[in-house]
Amino acid sequence: DTEVTQTPKHLVMGMTNKKSLKCEQHMGHRAMYWYKQKAKKPPELMFVYSYEKLSINESVPSRFSPECPNSSLLNLHLHALQPEDSALYLCASSPLRGSGGRDEQFFGPGTRLTVL
Amino acid sequence: DAKTTQPNSMESNEEEPVHLPCNHSTISGTDYIHWYRQLPSQGPEYVIHGLTSNVNNRMASLAIAEDRKSSTLILHRATLRDAAVYYCILRGSAGGTSYGKLTFGQGTILTVHP
Repeated sequence: DTEVTQTPKHLVMGMTNKKSLKCEQHMGHRAMYWYKQKAKKPPELMFVYSYEKLSINESVPSRFSPECPNSSLLNLHLHALQPEDSALYLCASSPLRGSGGRDEQFFGPGTRLTVL
Repeated sequence: DAKTTQPNSMESNEEEPVHLPCNHSTISGTDYIHWYRQLPSQGPEYVIHGLTSNVNNRMASLAIAEDRKSSTLILHRATLRDAAVYYCILRGSAGGTSYGKLTFGQGTILTVHP
């Protein structure tokens, strides 16, 4: 299995809702990532988990709360989002190979989030 | 993170070779050069990476200048399915807070004509 899966594919939520995005990989990768991508822009890193511990938080607002319950699963909990948070949310994983410079990332197809 | 510079867009004809350039004049000795591409409505896809020597895989070739200040991604025979945004990214090998970061630039939009 060489896939990163993300659910749901699409999500529409109101500003008072609480929802979660889910990401799963079964490649034995030990690092997992959340990226945000606005239309016609490159992806921007949000969070990195290495060995199930949060290693990078790119100053993301607290209304986004990541969680890594185990090495195969990554969640992004959403609460009190704003319309400007509407974007494609991408999950990725990587093997954490050696020094890191060689480590390629495998991306899921993303969740298209719309905040009303 | 060291910065990369790529042309905004390039065009090619189907079944012709495509050379996508990337400048990275501030590259450090331990930075790997990675290429990813993003097809329409999909997540980014790893293409190839290298450090100093030229690299080949089933998708593409990577030619790295001797001074490592530039590199070129080569698609040997472009197909319509190669139409995508191509990102050239430098990845450091050092640990610390930059470990794992993949910083995407604007990339090159490749259009392939039938």
